[in-house]
Amino acid sequence: NAGVTQTPKFQVLKTGQSMTLQCAQDMNHNSMYWYRQDPGMGLRLIYYSASEGTTDKGEVPNGYNVSRLNKREFSLRLESAAPSQTSVYFCASSEDQREDHEQYFGPGTRLTVT
Amino acid sequence: AQKITQTQPGMFVQEKEAVTLDCTYDTSDPSYGLFWYKQPSSGEMIFLIYQGSYDQQNATEGRYSLNFQKARKSANLVISASQLGDSAMYFCATRWNTGNQFYFGTGTSLTVIP
Repeated sequence: NAGVTQTPKFQVLKTGQSMTLQCAQDMNHNSMYWYRQDPGMGLRLIYYSASEGTTDKGEVPNGYNVSRLNKREFSLRLESAAPSQTSVYFCASSEDQREDHEQYFGPGTRLTVT
Repeated sequence: AQKITQTQPGMFVQEKEAVTLDCTYDTSDPSYGLFWYKQPSSGEMIFLIYQGSYDQQNATEGRYSLNFQKARKSANLVISASQLGDSAMYFCATRWNTGNQFYFGTGTSLTVIP
């Protein structure tokens, strides 16, 4: 039982390049999330998927797209990377939308855009 | 509007002493969950403790307890008998019944001094 896995762990991009961050969970969770973490700002929600087949914008969606490929996988795409997207990206999942269900986090992806 | 607030960017505590990390939140939703996560220097997010808005008792998990004061909208984390391994960032988070999103505070950096 690996929990939530993310690939890659580290990535360096040049401005304008594109890439996809992959996330998978093996806990049969319905809800999945993408966050970015910047110094002094905590975790900010980029996009989330309440259940398979649905996605919604979070607090900071500009410059990103997501795909809920199936129940296990939720990917985050940067179409044209910008230096402002330099951050640590976390994927998370939770069983469903109940307020007493915690999130489980992946190990994070450290992205640098030059 | 900011939904969850951690006012202590950094805290120091002597080893074996207790420490309280502050968290306040803002909601009109009667049903919500409150969570604390630990992020050590290695970067992973570790779930520590949960408190439901309808819970009569304060939550406890080993050396962690949550001082929940509903009328004041505060959910402070108390760590008893601090250990060197408690040095980390601590994040308070909340989830309302009416939405699927989690909202995180900006975190408190705790340093345990030997």
